[in-house]
Order: sequence, then structure tokens, then C-alpha cells
Amino acid sequence: SAVISQKPSRDICQRGTSLTIQCQVDSQVTMMFWYRQQPGQSLTLIATANQGSEATYESGFVIDKFPISRPNLTFSTLTVSNMSPEDSSIYLCSGQGYNEKLFFGSGTQLSVL
Amino acid sequence: AQTVTQSQPEMSVQEAETVTLSCTYDTSESDYYLFWYKQPPSRQMILVIRQEAYKQQNATENRFSVNFQKAAKSFSLKISDSQLGDAAMYFCAYRSYSDNNNDMRFGAGTRLTVKP
Repeated sequence: SAVISQKPSRDICQRGTSLTIQCQVDSQVTMMFWYRQQPGQSLTLIATANQGSEATYESGFVIDKFPISRPNLTFSTLTVSNMSPEDSSIYLCSGQGYNEKLFFGSGTQLSVL
Repeated sequence: AQTVTQSQPEMSVQEAETVTLSCTYDTSESDYYLFWYKQPPSRQMILVIRQEAYKQQNATENRFSVNFQKAAKSFSLKISDSQLGDAAMYFCAYRSYSDNNNDMRFGAGTRLTVKP
């Protein structure tokens, strides 16, 4: 199984600033995904990070707010831009291994003041 | 679009007993994958068990097993001999078999409490 290292694990940020979350996978994965998890709720897909091309965003999420990079098959970043308190959430990255299994990073708990 | 429904927000089980978590889903596809993930307070999403829709045999992983009813679109998780470490949020998830739709759809989750 793949191991995904995600950092930072948590951060407290000021309104209007940006935070970049990084995910490093210990092996190549074909697909990487970014999810948001509001407190006590389920996971909502933000976007699919495609290697070498622009990410594919779900309805309600836009590139200007959540720019994503995927420079290679083992690394991706998500930036939360111009943050507001409504962006306070847990952000999780995941990667698809073989047999369609999805492996997750340990999440980033973001609080925006 | 596929939807996943977990009708039990919370469940409780006595240590060493058996508990079943419910999940139903809605899809028009015939080929897909179903998963159960566990999320303890550490936030780490841990894969518990996986089922391919084309397989009639129910998946099992040690104390964890599923009851997959394809016609009823039901995918319940049975935890036998419950342990304190099983306490967590459990999410049921659906994934299409299609290359054009690779993302995972999650249910709302069931919080499982294990009583000593």
C-alpha cells in the first residue's frame, strides 16, 4: 500500500492570506485527489490533480481559490487562497493505488481567524 | 450522479459483540467498487474493506465482513468481536469503474462507539 505524507498537519491562518498544503507519495500513483471535510461531516471532492495538466474541479470549487499543482506522479500541492473563516476545515489528499484502492494523507486541519 | 447513504449517524456496540453498519447507494452503472473507510480521531482515513460489484462473494478482512446485495444496492459492514480500537467514524464509499469517473463518493458517515 502507498504511504502519503501530508503537511502541514494543522495551521492557524489570518483572513486574506494563503496556505499551501503538500502531499508526497512514496510510490507512483496515477490519480491524486483533494478533499475537504467540514467538522463532523463527510468528504467532499475539491478536484482531481492531473499530472502535467490542469486539475479538474468539482462544482463549487474554482482554480483561482484552490490552485493545484501536480508536477510528477508522486507529489501534489493544494493552495487555499485569500482565506476566510468559511475555509476552516480539514483538507485531505489521496492517491489511487492498484486495484482501485484510494490511500489518504493524514489531513491538514486549517483554522482561519 | 451516484449517491451514497448511511442512515445511521451513530452506533454503539459492547466490546466483543458484533455490530452492523448500513449503507445504500444509487447508481445506474453495473460495474463499480464499494469501500468502507475508517477515520479515527487522528483524521487518517484507513481502508477497511473493498468489494468489486462483479463479484458475488462477500469480501472479508479478518473481523470485518460485508453483506453486498447488488440488486438492493446495499453494502453493509459487519464488525465481529468489536474492540476498543474500532471506535471511529466509518464511511461507505462508491467508485465508478469508468475511466472517466474516477473519484470516490462518500456517505455521511457513522460514528461507532465501543463500550468496554
